[in-house]
Amino acid sequence: NAGVMQNPRHLVRRRGQEARLRCSPMKGHSHVYWYRQLPEEGLKFMVYLQKENIIDESGMPKERFSAEFPKEGPSILRIQQVVRGDSAAYFCASSPIAGEAGELFFGEGSRLTVL
Amino acid sequence: AQSVTQLDSQVPVFEEAPVELRCNYSSSVSVYLFWYVQYPNQGLQLLLKYLSGSTLVKGINGFEAEFNKSQTSFHLRKPSVHISDTAEYFCAVSDPRAAGNKLTFGGGTRVLVKP
Repeated sequence: NAGVMQNPRHLVRRRGQEARLRCSPMKGHSHVYWYRQLPEEGLKFMVYLQKENIIDESGMPKERFSAEFPKEGPSILRIQQVVRGDSAAYFCASSPIAGEAGELFFGEGSRLTVL
Repeated sequence: AQSVTQLDSQVPVFEEAPVELRCNYSSSVSVYLFWYVQYPNQGLQLLLKYLSGSTLVKGINGFEAEFNKSQTSFHLRKPSVHISDTAEYFCAVSDPRAAGNKLTFGGGTRVLVKP
């Protein structure tokens, strides 16, 4: 069974460009979570999505950030007009519909560097 | 809202010595508690979790944790560490009433096992 797949693993952008991070959940999982890990900090929740629905986006910055999880294809975290402070590791996690509490399966992360 | 405090940012320990990683949480409601491990350049893996029942929880790789409700703590222990335990460890909580498996993480504790 393939795990949670994230790509790209590393992404370099210049200030003002757009970054798109993709996440394919584990087979059979329909819930996706995005977390951000700033250097020397823990993981901060950003958004929780189910297929075609945003369930909880309380951790998303109000501007420039958006997320989607379409009916077909991976979940996408989009950052417009990136700034240096967006440099971080972005982790995606997934869980099945009726998974046990806390059973989040994480990808290996996408590391964004903004020059 | 919940919060998690990991009191030690770094813990150096010699191989075969015991280790304890401290975790305290704050919440107005009962929570589920978790420990995750992150090896270098990888995603997070679940070590163990407390949902209910016995306050002593055993996890993978010889780790265990004890839930102490009065002290709002969930400290992680291992009686004898290996070099391969070098990693970052994250304590996390979730609200059983909330939709999905959204986790709130502590800042992490880096464990460096020395030969």
